[in-house]
Amino acid sequence: DGGITQSPKYLFRKEGQNVTLSCEQNLNHDAMYWYRQDPGQGLRLIYYSQIVNDFQKGDIAEGYSVSREKKESFPLTVTSAQKNPTAFYLCASSIEGLAVPYNEQFFGPGTRLTVL
Amino acid sequence: AQSVAQPEDQVNVAEGNPLTVKCTYSVSGNPYLFWYVQYPNRGLQFLLKYITGDNLVKGSYGFEAEFNKSQTSFHLKKPSALVSDSALYFCATLSGGYQKVTFGTGTKLQVIP
Repeated sequence: DGGITQSPKYLFRKEGQNVTLSCEQNLNHDAMYWYRQDPGQGLRLIYYSQIVNDFQKGDIAEGYSVSREKKESFPLTVTSAQKNPTAFYLCASSIEGLAVPYNEQFFGPGTRLTVL
Repeated sequence: AQSVAQPEDQVNVAEGNPLTVKCTYSVSGNPYLFWYVQYPNRGLQFLLKYITGDNLVKGSYGFEAEFNKSQTSFHLKKPSALVSDSALYFCATLSGGYQKVTFGTGTKLQVIP
């Protein structure tokens, strides 16, 4: 799982609650990503950020929000607007830049979110 | 749109036998292809990638993949499977820009002792 940490490992949310998932990396990577993993569906991109103070919506951004105030940190908030948030959430990072394109991503260990 | 397909949900192979996990791609322009492995309740780990050059790409843990342009395939292979290779394998390609990745649905590999 390299230099990416995610916390907590398990998270339980009540209906109507917002929760924030932490993602920190010490790899000095510019780009960071959030994915949602559901059984049989692979990974789907929620948000990504290529540089501090900038981020873009992925394929399933509705009901989620992010911030990128520091290079090392990319927290994800699952809001009450997300109707089916129970899933495994993965954070990743990669080296960014035209000089080093086509780079692999490094993943954190994941957070399993369950709605009660 | 760039995409990859993994036609098999699960592959079973006996320990010591060669293994193949299949992936086909659909991309416009040059394909950039990746394989990742995921062990239970863990994040993904990078195995190998094809950007350009030799069609046979060697990666971590003895895995290799063969890029076949005419068949639009990028199958993952290993000459002799280990029980510890049992995991979920994902094929991926770049899409929507050189850092946005699209993943396949995954193939569960079960190596039987």
